Amino acid sequence: GAVVSQHPSRVICKSGTSVKIECRSLDFQATTMFWYRQFPKQSLMLMATSNEGSKATYEQGVEKDKFLINHASLTLSTLTVTSAHPEDSSFYICSAQGTSAYNEQFFGPGTRLTVL
Amino acid sequence: GQQLNQSPQSMFIQEGEDVSMNCTSSSIFNTWLWYKQDPGEGPVLLIALYKAGELTSNGRLTAQFGITRKDSFLNISASIPSDVGIYFCAGRILDSNYQLIWGAGTKLIIKP
Repeated sequence: GAVVSQHPSRVICKSGTSVKIECRSLDFQATTMFWYRQFPKQSLMLMATSNEGSKATYEQGVEKDKFLINHASLTLSTLTVTSAHPEDSSFYICSAQGTSAYNEQFFGPGTRLTVL
Repeated sequence: GQQLNQSPQSMFIQEGEDVSMNCTSSSIFNTWLWYKQDPGEGPVLLIALYKAGELTSNGRLTAQFGITRKDSFLNISASIPSDVGIYFCAGRILDSNYQLIWGAGTKLIIKP
């Protein structure tokens, strides 16, 4: 139980393009999804929190127009990195939290974004 | 922002040895979680603790929620090669929202 998938696992794009990352909870309903960014040898940095059907709450310093988050259903959230630049290259990880036995954050496998 | 102090930063041990790591904070927590992250993967939840003094095991892993509610430790007994990775503690402050505060991680390396 508590399986979370992310797609794609790796993406390489040119500077200026937009990239969409999908996060799905496969065997439970996620009332809340979280998006993190992780730099090499560092801990996870929370970017934003989203509840199904609501606007995402962004952490201080995270540009909401740069990192668009959509949580359209209880099993799917997407993160779109708009007009990506090399400094956006990073490891992006989502987590999903549900209720009852799934009332903690369960993480996806991450997406490695490289912007050339 | 809130900080969790996780130590040690890294550990070099022999296979078969026991491992201990801990997290401390100046704030009171109502939840302590321990995750393991392998390279290029997302963290995997190992143990969740919800009550002060709670001691919980998951196979060779044992974690405790400190009585003061400001600390937690994770022990791994009889380490094996697949235990290598980065272990993160994470916690939720009393009366806070659902966000987690993360430790910096403990990198476990097993010497051949």
